[in-house]
Amino acid sequence: QVQLQESGPGLVKPSETLSLTCTVSGGSLGSYYWTWIRQPAGKGLEWIGRIYTSGGTNYNPSLKNRVTMSIDTSKNQFSLNLRSVTAADTAVYFCARVSIYYFDNWGQGALVTVSS
Amino acid sequence: DIQMTQSPSSVSASVGDRVTITCRASQGISSWLVWYQQKPGKAPKLLIYDASSLQSGVPSRFSGSGSGTDFTLTISSLQPEDFATYYCQQAHSFPRTFGQGTKVEI
Repeated sequence: QVQLQESGPGLVKPSETLSLTCTVSGGSLGSYYWTWIRQPAGKGLEWIGRIYTSGGTNYNPSLKNRVTMSIDTSKNQFSLNLRSVTAADTAVYFCARVSIYYFDNWGQGALVTVSS
Repeated sequence: DIQMTQSPSSVSASVGDRVTITCRASQGISSWLVWYQQKPGKAPKLLIYDASSLQSGVPSRFSGSGSGTDFTLTISSLQPEDFATYYCQQAHSFPRTFGQGTKVEI
């Protein structure tokens, strides 16, 4: 069973860049898409985007101008950068594997707070 | 974007009850519909994909149906471990979107 683990700073200042990494263990990145999803406290789920092992991406247009995803197959990791953050970006950020089109393996989530 | 609307937002139920949750898409999505279960402080867990296919390891008391714009998730006999929030998600087009969630509580 593949396992995913998010890592990165838990506190980011407004206007700065949120950076998270997801490390995949128990399997390779293989021929999968990998995705980021976030959830503000007490609210629903928002899809941020996805990245393929070749580096191809799809982003949510609501975040597109601020989001960049990257992948490092040698480290079995993929990453999320979200620029110019505000308090509205405070959320738990999940990474997940995309199996065909559904999200079948998730990380435990990483809380990121945007505050000065 | 395709809007996903779940109803009800919350439901009170007892162990052994049959519970049905509805998800409506703002446009037709064929059977590109997924259901997840989320417990407090945990990541969502995949329950059903293709609107009605049960993910491996998920109890058979969970079932899904529907196509086009209207979908349902049914729990045939609610168990204590089923108290959670349930989300639908469309995979017909980008961006992927989720329903607002349905909380199943006592």
